[in-house]
Amino acid sequence: ETGVTQTPRHLVMGMTNKKSLKCEQHLGHNAMYWYKQSAKKPLELMFVYSLEERVENNSVPSRFSPECPNSSHLFLHLHTLQPEDSALYLCASSQESVRGGIDEQFFGPGTRLTVL
Amino acid sequence: DAKTTQPPSMDCAEGRAANLPCNHSTISGNEYVYWYRQIHSQGPQYIIHGLKNNETNEMASLIITEDRKSSTLILPHATLRDTAVYYCIVGPRGYQKVTFGIGTKLQVIP
Repeated sequence: ETGVTQTPRHLVMGMTNKKSLKCEQHLGHNAMYWYKQSAKKPLELMFVYSLEERVENNSVPSRFSPECPNSSHLFLHLHTLQPEDSALYLCASSQESVRGGIDEQFFGPGTRLTVL
Repeated sequence: DAKTTQPPSMDCAEGRAANLPCNHSTISGNEYVYWYRQIHSQGPQYIIHGLKNNETNEMASLIITEDRKSSTLILPHATLRDTAVYYCIVGPRGYQKVTFGIGTKLQVIP
């Protein structure tokens, strides 16, 4: 257990569906991340939230919409996805000090998404 | 950010030390070396990080060469549970944008 939980663990959706992925961290961290891991590819950073503000958006298609209502929760809203969006979606958190500096990110177990 | 080069795969006998190399010849003075691992179908797990001194924790040791152009992660007594993909990453502290490469797939053999 890393202190980062993700739900659901598995999700199958059609291309016309709307669904949301949820991430919750119990570590008191102030930064949260969404990553995508496709089969046999490196992890791709999608979004970064620091102090509940989005600070990074790596050219992610608008069919992925993140939301960070507070420092403990992060959502990824999905709509009109494509089959190539099938992947493992990972959430992570870290603590960023006011002086700048983080040591490590703590990852959740991921949501395995299949788009039909 | 500095790039890293790792061998794509390695084998290690159970109980022996696993030495995973990483080249980072373009590392700059304020960049740290971080190691993570990812066991199949799980999220990555932080292992260790260092700047220029060797570091050790309960999981592993990190040896960084004096010129800082390469490093080695050492798992002193590999177990079957250490079978995973190991990622070597370099970046400055305060580095939110962690970029994972392909990593080294370590197979621990009974």
